[in-house]
Amino acid sequence: DAGITQSPRYKITETGRQVTLMCHQTWSHSYMFWYRQDLGHGLRLIYYSAAADITDKGEVPDGYVVSRSKTENFPLTLESATRSQTSVYFCASTQGVDEQFFGPGTRLTVL
Amino acid sequence: AQTVTQSQPEMSVQEAETVTLSCTYDTSENNYYLFWYKQPPSRQMILVIRQEAYKQQNATENRFSVNFQKAAKSFSLKISDSQLGDTAMYFCAFMKVQGAQKLVFGQGTRLTINP
Repeated sequence: DAGITQSPRYKITETGRQVTLMCHQTWSHSYMFWYRQDLGHGLRLIYYSAAADITDKGEVPDGYVVSRSKTENFPLTLESATRSQTSVYFCASTQGVDEQFFGPGTRLTVL
Repeated sequence: AQTVTQSQPEMSVQEAETVTLSCTYDTSENNYYLFWYKQPPSRQMILVIRQEAYKQQNATENRFSVNFQKAAKSFSLKISDSQLGDTAMYFCAFMKVQGAQKLVFGQGTRLTINP
């Protein structure tokens, strides 16, 4: 399917476990982003990537790791999940200074 | 660093009325983009309208229009003839032209259109 997809859509995990959220886009966009959405904060940038093998921190990067070995994929890993990482996570992509296209989101609950 | 503020956490209007959502931002940049995104209950983020800072003319998309006041750093969204399907969270967002194309979001306004 064309577009940007995220998996899983829902995830429940326990404190201390490693979790990886997947993001895949079919447009070959250069830029990809991970945001988290929390009540009262809107969406905040976790990490972004300008191209394959180029990543950089956003506003709230602590506790997260990203990689981008292929242009179309941008996984986000929580190395040791904490309750404060319970959130809705959005992946987005864009080719440049223009609209960002968002995935459907992943609701993550850390118990 | 840029900041975006939406001072109305919730708004509610009757169907067919006009409603205006407020957004202010702070930046030292001269060249940037502003966006309004809509998030319905499905959670999908949908672009409503965009505004380039160098353009003085306010952007319009059908029933949606903006009032862009660059000197005041204000970017409000007006929805005319509101419809039940306009019920959603609305986010104002800022993007610098220079550097990585990162979005900075406001806290959001929950808009309810009542029948």
